[in-house]
Amino acid sequence: EAGVAQSPRYKIIEKRQSVAFWCNPISGHATLYWYQQILGQGPKLLIQFQNNGVVDDSQLPKDRFSAERLKGVDSTLKIQPAKLEDSAVYLCASSLDFLSGEQFFGPGTRLTVL
Amino acid sequence: GEDVEQSLFLSVREGDSSVINCTYTDSSSTYLYWYKQEPGAGLQLLTYIFSNMDMKQDQRLTVLLNKKDKHLSLRIADTQTGDSAIYFCAESMKAAGNKLTFGGGTRVLVKP
Repeated sequence: EAGVAQSPRYKIIEKRQSVAFWCNPISGHATLYWYQQILGQGPKLLIQFQNNGVVDDSQLPKDRFSAERLKGVDSTLKIQPAKLEDSAVYLCASSLDFLSGEQFFGPGTRLTVL
Repeated sequence: GEDVEQSLFLSVREGDSSVINCTYTDSSSTYLYWYKQEPGAGLQLLTYIFSNMDMKQDQRLTVLLNKKDKHLSLRIADTQTGDSAIYFCAESMKAAGNKLTFGGGTRVLVKP
């Protein structure tokens, strides 16, 4: 079974530029999560989708971050414009549904904002 | 509110047992997890325990849950150099869509 796929693996941009990350969850998984992991810290949830609907985006900085999951499968996370403090690893995870105890993580996208 | 705390660092000799500890504040947790993260890699789910259980064993891993003290531990038997990594404790609640709240991670260094 293929795992959660993410791209790109690494991205370096200058502040005020835009960037987008892509995630393909495990086939059949209805719930998709985006987490932000700043160096030396545990991941923090940004947004949770159930199929193509948003379940929780309370921690998403909506003035600069946006995310979508239009067909209930792949998802993109965008930052526009980026700030220095957005430097982090962005992790995508999926689970069978939001009642499932198991979340499976992708390898992450490491973003460096200069 | 939600808060998960872990010690920062643990050093252990190869072949010994490791015990990683975690405390949490939310008594409504449904599941409690242990994830492993190796350098440059994503998070690997090691094991998880339902909040109405006291213990779970899976090969070299033993999870103990003390719900009264809100304390979770992970014991790794016969620790190997490949066990060197950062270990994250996390909790989730079904009522909150099972989003994970992570601790800051414990870096485990296994010395030969």
